[in-house]
Amino acid sequence: GESVGLHLPTLSVQEGDNSIINCAYSNSASDYFIWYKQESGKGPQFIIDIRSNMDKRQGQRVTVLLNKTVKHLSLQIAATQPGDSAVYFCAEIYDKVIFGPGTSLSVIP
Amino acid sequence: DGGITQSPKYLFRKEGQNVTLSCEQNLNHDAMYWYRQDPGQGLRLIYYSQIVNDFQKGDIAEGYSVSREKKESFPLTVTSAQKNPTAFYLCASSITGAASEQYFGPGTRLTVT
Repeated sequence: GESVGLHLPTLSVQEGDNSIINCAYSNSASDYFIWYKQESGKGPQFIIDIRSNMDKRQGQRVTVLLNKTVKHLSLQIAATQPGDSAVYFCAEIYDKVIFGPGTSLSVIP
Repeated sequence: DGGITQSPKYLFRKEGQNVTLSCEQNLNHDAMYWYRQDPGQGLRLIYYSQIVNDFQKGDIAEGYSVSREKKESFPLTVTSAQKNPTAFYLCASSITGAASEQYFGPGTRLTVT
């Protein structure tokens, strides 16, 4: 039979506040992780990546944290802006790429 | 201007008709992929190709077909056998066939009535 559609987790943040988006990954052997941003009706765009030999990486207004002990990845967005409104999903990479379902970020002006 | 292009952006078809979605890349990437995205769900892999003239089924290949006659092109045909074809289709490419960062096209939204 057909699968039931799932509702994406949604995070609503006030403009100017910091956002934290979380991702649990499945394979403890995954050694490369990527965060993508997907705006409505568009293809996903690369935001930031991190290798498994690191636990933190910073970009412009974004930081990715990796906790290998609990297989958890987070994306922190500083001073969230309306243009940050999108779906964010993580990808874990080992012998193949596995994409998470995503979190919908809504920025309140 | 390098990248991945998909055309058309919106496509409408009647039930029972086959339809082909275009994907072209000028990144000189070896590997190309097709994903299906439904509302509220993650990306699901339809087909992938690691090299010209070779392709493999992904997780939801039934009702779809592909070809890879040229390195830069990886068209996807949605056949009448696909029971629920209405969806957003994304094409991606990566430098090698090994697991690596994938670059995505803008997507094609297919509506079948």
